[in-house]
Amino acid sequence: QVQLQESGPRLVKSSETLSLTCAVSGYSISNGYYWAWVRHTPGKGLEWIGSVYHSGDTYYNPSLKSRVTISADTSKNQFSLKLKSVTAADTAVYYCATLTSFYSFFDYWGQGALVTVSS
Amino acid sequence: EIVLTQSPGTLSLSPGVRATLSCRASQSVDTSYLAWYQLKPGQAPRLLIYGTFSRASGIPDRFSGSGSGTDFSLRISRLEPEDVAVYYCHQYRTSPYTFGQGTKLEI
Repeated sequence: QVQLQESGPRLVKSSETLSLTCAVSGYSISNGYYWAWVRHTPGKGLEWIGSVYHSGDTYYNPSLKSRVTISADTSKNQFSLKLKSVTAADTAVYYCATLTSFYSFFDYWGQGALVTVSS
Repeated sequence: EIVLTQSPGTLSLSPGVRATLSCRASQSVDTSYLAWYQLKPGQAPRLLIYGTFSRASGIPDRFSGSGSGTDFSLRISRLEPEDVAVYYCHQYRTSPYTFGQGTKLEI
């Protein structure tokens, strides 16, 4: 069974870059699947941020595309999220998740990481 | 972008009764591409239903999904205290993938 675990700083200053990593176990990301980041805020609910394929192809939500970079590191079996120029509106629980194909539901999720943006 | 609108925002019911949660899409969604998740505080989202009708692994048959076109529903029968959560519908037919704003279920 695929297991996902988010890690990274939980407090980020406004205008700086949020960085999170998702360690994958139980499956080699080089074998396929899409690897995604989704965030949750009480006000907006769940929001898909973007996805990466093991080949490195990336797909982003247009609402965040100008600020987001998602990458995969097959040697470490992990993938990462960078969100630049953060504001208080980016305070959220960030989840990593997996999809078996591009048009698929999210079947495995990490426990989530609450990231707070401070001024 | 497909906008999903869930209703009601909050649903307060008694144990043992049935809950019906609605999800309306701004444009037609193929039934193969509509899912429901359960989210409890401090936990990862849990996939309940995919492809409108199919229960995910380990999900009890108290949970069922239905719908077509722009109108979809999640039904939870014989409500239990452990069903307290926020429920989200999700479409994955068109990028960007989108979610409804959630229905909070109180028991």
